[in-house]
Amino acid sequence: QKEVEQDPGPLSVPEGAIVSLNCTYSNSAFQYFMWYRQYSRKGPELLMYTYSSGNKEDGRFTAQVDKSSKYISLFIRDSQPSDSATYLCAMSATVRYRGSTLGRLYFGRGTQLTVWP
Amino acid sequence: DAGVIQSPRHEVTEMGQEVTLRCKPISGHDYLFWYRQTMMRGLELLIYFNNNVPIDDSGMPEDRFSAKMPNASFSTLKIQPSEPRDSAVYFCASRPQGSKDIQYFGAGTRLSVL
Repeated sequence: QKEVEQDPGPLSVPEGAIVSLNCTYSNSAFQYFMWYRQYSRKGPELLMYTYSSGNKEDGRFTAQVDKSSKYISLFIRDSQPSDSATYLCAMSATVRYRGSTLGRLYFGRGTQLTVWP
Repeated sequence: DAGVIQSPRHEVTEMGQEVTLRCKPISGHDYLFWYRQTMMRGLELLIYFNNNVPIDDSGMPEDRFSAKMPNASFSTLKIQPSEPRDSAVYFCASRPQGSKDIQYFGAGTRLSVL
């Protein structure tokens, strides 16, 4: 089992839809949780960052972390064609746990999202 | 700052040839990471350095792969000999100490081994 599981999609929605992207993980030592956005033929860029459990909102984007369920989500409201990209979840540990290495990120496979006009 | 700079952007080579990918991290960043991305496997960490010292190379697929960081502003990833299954996009990323593990990625090198 991989440390981080993410459905690769693809996911295709109409403009204006609410999009929900999710990841599950197995390492209870993960404390920092991120979402990266990757446009075609570009490198990943940080989109959202959260520490521990809870919600964080930034414009049309909301990140949620449920540590009890080892589940994180990214919601996109009023989706736009410019949101079409691959979204990767990532997380890191602050303490060593079952061989995890400090200082690195553990990525999901990424979900490919297309928002059509 | 110019961000993380990778070269070349594209590389096409024949099986058995040596390939060298280059990375210049953001100035002042203490960590440098090399990743490989494919459709099948997603983004895989190959190796990372802290203050020019390799910390974890468990992701390096085999002895054909090697990475060096001779100084704080330059790193290389070498594949010798290259094989068609090495075809992928290779990313370099860097981050400063204590940045809550947020990494900054380069634009990647698209490698095709024929």
